[in-house]
Amino acid sequence: KAGVTQTPRYLIKTRGQQVTLSCSPISGHRSVSWYQQTPGQGLQFLFEYFSETQRNKGNFPGRFSGRQFSNSRSEMNVSTLELGDSALYLCASSLEGGTLMDFGPGTRLTVL
Amino acid sequence: QKEVEQNSGPLSVPEGAIASLNCTYSDRGSQSFFWYRQYSGKSPELIMFIYSNGDKEDGRFTAQLNKASQYVSLLIRDSQPSDSATYLCAVNESGNTGKLIFGQGTTLQVKP
Repeated sequence: KAGVTQTPRYLIKTRGQQVTLSCSPISGHRSVSWYQQTPGQGLQFLFEYFSETQRNKGNFPGRFSGRQFSNSRSEMNVSTLELGDSALYLCASSLEGGTLMDFGPGTRLTVL
Repeated sequence: QKEVEQNSGPLSVPEGAIASLNCTYSDRGSQSFFWYRQYSGKSPELIMFIYSNGDKEDGRFTAQLNKASQYVSLLIRDSQPSDSATYLCAVNESGNTGKLIFGQGTTLQVKP
């Protein structure tokens, strides 16, 4: 089966800009979760979408937002980028959410 | 603040030995427990999951769960240099099956 895909794989932005990351889940998976991974904080949960609805949200500021489309593809947006937003952003999909997630390859975001 | 604790390591074992990785969690209501392996520069890959107290074996891997002690472990038998990676323990947040809380990971080095 085709895995989770994320685009773009690498991004370089400057402070104050905004960015949109995209995730296509495994076919048939309806839940998409987003995580931020940094060396200092490890993997931290951003949000989860299921059937186009945000079902869970982590402790991130409102600059981080997301959405899910009817085909289960998901996007996350970060506005007014800060240096601390530099991280690997991982998308994971699962059939129903919360169990047996498959991660995508990630988007490496660098904010200068 | 719900937490998952792991020794960051590195844990160094000789080839062919048993590697033992440990994890404790604070959320007593957690019901699902996962071990992910992450190679440097790659995304996490699910290798084991366990829901009930006791042991679960899959090939060279054994996951152990003790809910009373809030303790999860992963044993890797006949360790190979290809097992050298960071192992992430993840626990679902009680009441939120779509949200996983990750430990910081333990780096395992298997020396030939």
